[in-house]
Amino acid sequence: DGGITQSPKYLFRKEGQNVTLSCEQNLNHDAMYWYRQDPGQGLRLIYYSQIVNDFQKGDIAEGYSVSREKKESFPLTVTSAQKNPTAFYLCASSTPRTGGTEAFFGQGTRLTVV
Amino acid sequence: AQTVTQSQPEMSVQEAETVTLSCTYDTSESDYYLFWYKQPPSRQMILVIRQEAYKQQNATENRFSVNFQKAAKSFSLKISDSQLGDAAMYFCAYPLLGTYKYIFGTGTRLKVLA
Repeated sequence: DGGITQSPKYLFRKEGQNVTLSCEQNLNHDAMYWYRQDPGQGLRLIYYSQIVNDFQKGDIAEGYSVSREKKESFPLTVTSAQKNPTAFYLCASSTPRTGGTEAFFGQGTRLTVV
Repeated sequence: AQTVTQSQPEMSVQEAETVTLSCTYDTSESDYYLFWYKQPPSRQMILVIRQEAYKQQNATENRFSVNFQKAAKSFSLKISDSQLGDAAMYFCAYPLLGTYKYIFGTGTRLKVLA
């Protein structure tokens, strides 16, 4: 079945560590996204990528990095520079070229700093 | 700036009753799409319904329908015959055509009372 797979489901990070969240899609979508979800703040865009080897900062990119070496994969690294990384992270993909298509989401990763 | 506003942080509805969730947005575009997503306790984001702005007819999907008022930039979601499984966070979303970015509201938590 086509879909988006995020792993791990739960992740614990020690202070000062970098961690990488995985996102893989087999929907053949061009665009991929990372959102952060905090209580009462909805979904905030971290990074997005329209095509392989290209990506743009979203609204809260500081402390995060991404890569897009393959169409199917868009990993997110939460660096030690991110001051408050504890949150729920959602990866999504879409085919904006056709216009009006919805974003499809993975099941999310819950990151906790310990 | 394009924004999406959900002014109801939380709503409650009795099982089998009808509830309406509000969403307003701001855009300078004339042709666009609007979406309602549902996020149940599993946190998987699920598309509920979409509306195309150039269509005057309000979208309907089974028990879910929208009241789209383009001039007022309002996009409310009506849930009829509410069921316990409808309990979730509901997000209104607006994709910026040509930019690959989706803008989300802050969400409305819907509680369904048995």
